[in-house]
Amino acid sequence: EDKVVQSPLSLVVHEGDTVTLNCSYEVTNFRSLLWYKQEKKAPTFLFMLTSSGIEKKSGRLSSILDKKELFSILNITATQTGDSAIYLCAVEAGNNRKLIWGLGTSLAVNP
Amino acid sequence: GAVVSQHPSWVICKSGTSVKIECRSLDFQATTMFWYRQFPKQSLMLMATSNEGSKATYEQGVEKDKFLINHASLTLSTLTVTSAHPEDSSFYICSAMRGGPETQYFGPGTRLLVL
Repeated sequence: EDKVVQSPLSLVVHEGDTVTLNCSYEVTNFRSLLWYKQEKKAPTFLFMLTSSGIEKKSGRLSSILDKKELFSILNITATQTGDSAIYLCAVEAGNNRKLIWGLGTSLAVNP
Repeated sequence: GAVVSQHPSWVICKSGTSVKIECRSLDFQATTMFWYRQFPKQSLMLMATSNEGSKATYEQGVEKDKFLINHASLTLSTLTVTSAHPEDSSFYICSAMRGGPETQYFGPGTRLLVL
């Protein structure tokens, strides 16, 4: 059975800290891995990763994929209170391009 | 571009009534639309995948007679929760995709409360 596991489930840090969120997966016919940020409403797209070892970066956020070890990490440096959200990892697998979702990591950044 | 709207954003109804939720892609044509359900502090649970003009594909465990999906056009899909019960109370989110998975755009969600 395809599955995506995120860790930790919940994290509380202080502003300025650096955090690393993990996403591991076991799927058939991997196509891509996506990271989303969900605040109060709908998830917003952060990154899509398809190749191992190539870092994607956007401001203080970066992500990388390891297809050999079947995981990805999302790094946030110099965290701000506005980074508080649920971070969701999803893996696209199979021919029907369905996304398999992890449970998410709830991040709280305290001032 | 790439805006997806949902209507209504909040609905409270009595047990036994049916509720229709609309999902529209406002500025693009969506090849596929998805319906998700999300419980508090949990992840998105895919309910069904909908393609215009064809029957929706439901995930295992989702009752197709209870959650009716109609995909009338490339910009509109509707989810009807029939004979709603309190356990159907949840946050329902739709998304519309126009290409690869990175082009899946989410609506703002509809919060349903069944009394």
